[in-house]
Amino acid sequence: DVKVTQSSRYLVKRTGEKVFLECVQDMDHENMFWYRQDPGLGLRLIYFSYDVKMKEKGDIPEGYSVSREKKERFSLILESASTNQTSMYLCASSLRRAPRDSPLHFGNGTRLTVT
Amino acid sequence: KNQVEQSPQSLIILEGKNCTLQCNYTVSPFSNLRWYKQDTGRGPVSLTIMTFSENTKSNGRYTATLDADTKQSSLHITASQLSDSASYICVVIRSPPPGGYNKLIFGAGTRLAVHP
Repeated sequence: DVKVTQSSRYLVKRTGEKVFLECVQDMDHENMFWYRQDPGLGLRLIYFSYDVKMKEKGDIPEGYSVSREKKERFSLILESASTNQTSMYLCASSLRRAPRDSPLHFGNGTRLTVT
Repeated sequence: KNQVEQSPQSLIILEGKNCTLQCNYTVSPFSNLRWYKQDTGRGPVSLTIMTFSENTKSNGRYTATLDADTKQSSLHITASQLSDSASYICVVIRSPPPGGYNKLIFGAGTRLAVHP
């Protein structure tokens, strides 16, 4: 079974702090994604990556950056955390470039609170 | 505008009963549609995928339907169990433009509670 591991289940940070969310997958997937999930809204794509050192902006990249130095690891960075970034963050991976036939495999999420 | 609307927002049923969750979309061009189940405190897990030519697909007690003409999908759960309590998320995949990527559009989900 694919395992996508997010390093923290819960994080509490102060406004202005730099925050790192880490994600590791163990199935040699090429594709990795960061989403945020807020009540009443569908998952929204922040950034994605189809290869090492490659990154593409999603729908809501403002205030975030990412790093993919190794195939198995995809990090989300909040350069200066703000209260409107309080959310559940979900990392996902998939096997092939076009996810038509390949489902997303999600981690269990990191619930970030910015105070 | 590419949108996915799910109904109802939440639903409570008794164990053993059936239920149907709805998903309407305006995504174009359509590639395929997935249903995910998200247990509390966990990430979503894929239940089934529906392609343009498929009308019905079953996965155990879960049956998904797709009407590509009316742009509607449903997820029917038969003989519900307590473990079916979860959020169910409909995701529509839009075909990519030339040189581009597939785009996934997520519904907000239906929260199902199965009571004993």
